[in-house]
Amino acid sequence: GQQLNQSPQSMFIQEGEDVSMNCTSSSIFNTWLWYKQDPGEGPVLLIALYKAGELTSNGRLTAQFGITRKDSFLNISASIPSDVGIYFCAGRKGGSQGNLIFGKGTKLSVKP
Amino acid sequence: NAGVTQTPKFQVLKTGQSMTLQCAQDMNHEYMSWYRQDPGMGLRLIHYSVGAGITDQGEVPNGYNVSRSTTEDFPLRLLSAAPSQTSVYFCASTRDRGFSGAFFGQGTRLTVV
Repeated sequence: GQQLNQSPQSMFIQEGEDVSMNCTSSSIFNTWLWYKQDPGEGPVLLIALYKAGELTSNGRLTAQFGITRKDSFLNISASIPSDVGIYFCAGRKGGSQGNLIFGKGTKLSVKP
Repeated sequence: NAGVTQTPKFQVLKTGQSMTLQCAQDMNHEYMSWYRQDPGMGLRLIHYSVGAGITDQGEVPNGYNVSRSTTEDFPLRLLSAAPSQTSVYFCASTRDRGFSGAFFGQGTRLTVV
């Protein structure tokens, strides 16, 4: 099946640090979405992007829709402990089906 | 608002048993879908529905059936459970086939022994 390559797979954060993660694909997508999943919960939508080059913020989170339409980036500024969790990117192609394709996730943990 | 409600939250099945995972949404969304989440695999689409009476297969449909008799409900049936179906199952709904992102239920953790 189609795949999105999400990196890094995991990272440790210290409170106050900025965090970056990205998602790439060999295919073009019309929509990019970023989700966060807490343990035992379903994913929750953070940011949706609809146009190449679009830069959208949601509080301390900023995401960008890559110019080539094959990638997207998520940045978290000044991280706090409740930012820990798994972050997923998802892409949607156009067309009548347009199902979401998910990356494998980036796990954020707190530095010991 | 309840959003997307899944039942049960946990289930243990024996190999060969059948069961139905329930999903209901109260947002009047046309588009609903089922995903499974396995460690290191992200979420993979099992089946989806674009409206009452219309269903189609996703990436990993084998061993699962769905039906959509109402806008609100989208049950997922395991016909003959296998250990490979041990997973966390998520139901999701969207207003517009995913343009605005999907709302997910809390998941059903299924173990097949």
